[in-house]
Amino acid sequence: KAGVTQTPRYLIKTRGQQVTLSCSPISGHRSVSWYQQTPGQGLQFLFEYFSETQRNKGNFPGRFSGRQFSNSRSEMNVSTLELGDSALYLCASSFGHTGGEKLFFGSGTQLSVL
Amino acid sequence: AQTVTQSQPEMSVQEAETVTLSCTYDTSESDYYLFWYKQPPSRQMILVIRQEAYKQQNATENRFSVNFQKAAKSFSLKISDSQLGDAAMYFCAYREEGGSEKLVFGKGTKLTVNP
Repeated sequence: KAGVTQTPRYLIKTRGQQVTLSCSPISGHRSVSWYQQTPGQGLQFLFEYFSETQRNKGNFPGRFSGRQFSNSRSEMNVSTLELGDSALYLCASSFGHTGGEKLFFGSGTQLSVL
Repeated sequence: AQTVTQSQPEMSVQEAETVTLSCTYDTSESDYYLFWYKQPPSRQMILVIRQEAYKQQNATENRFSVNFQKAAKSFSLKISDSQLGDAAMYFCAYREEGGSEKLVFGKGTKLTVNP
């Protein structure tokens, strides 16, 4: 079956712009989580959506937002981009029923803010 | 808040040899899950092995095994018969028991496999 698909793979934006990243989970998965990966801070949890509802949120400013659609596809949006938002953004999906489930990750979107 | 520490930023091993990657974590919870993920240059995170905290038996997946010491809050990964394809970043991760899929990751260990 198809894996987790993230689009686009690469993105270049300038400060002050906004950006939308997309994540299509594995068929049947209802949970989508987002992570930010940077060389300095490592991997940090952004938020998780389950059945169109945000189930958990990390410690990021309100400029970072997300949503999930009825087909479980998810988008995250970053408004008023800052240089420090340059990172690899990973999404992961699972069935979302328990805390110990295996997460399946996409290959990420590499965002560069100039 | 839970934290995960990987004290070895880089490790190297000869092909066919064994290497152990260290991970310690801090939590006040009694039920949780621990994971090792591998991230090759393709950037996709791949689950290597998973351990439930309530299980005393150490998890094993083919050439990969863990040494889980709950009291010491230690969770090391042993890779036996190392292969060139094992070269990657390895991340230790923690997840609480419950409905959320939030993972707390360590900073990672870069593993180099020498032929």
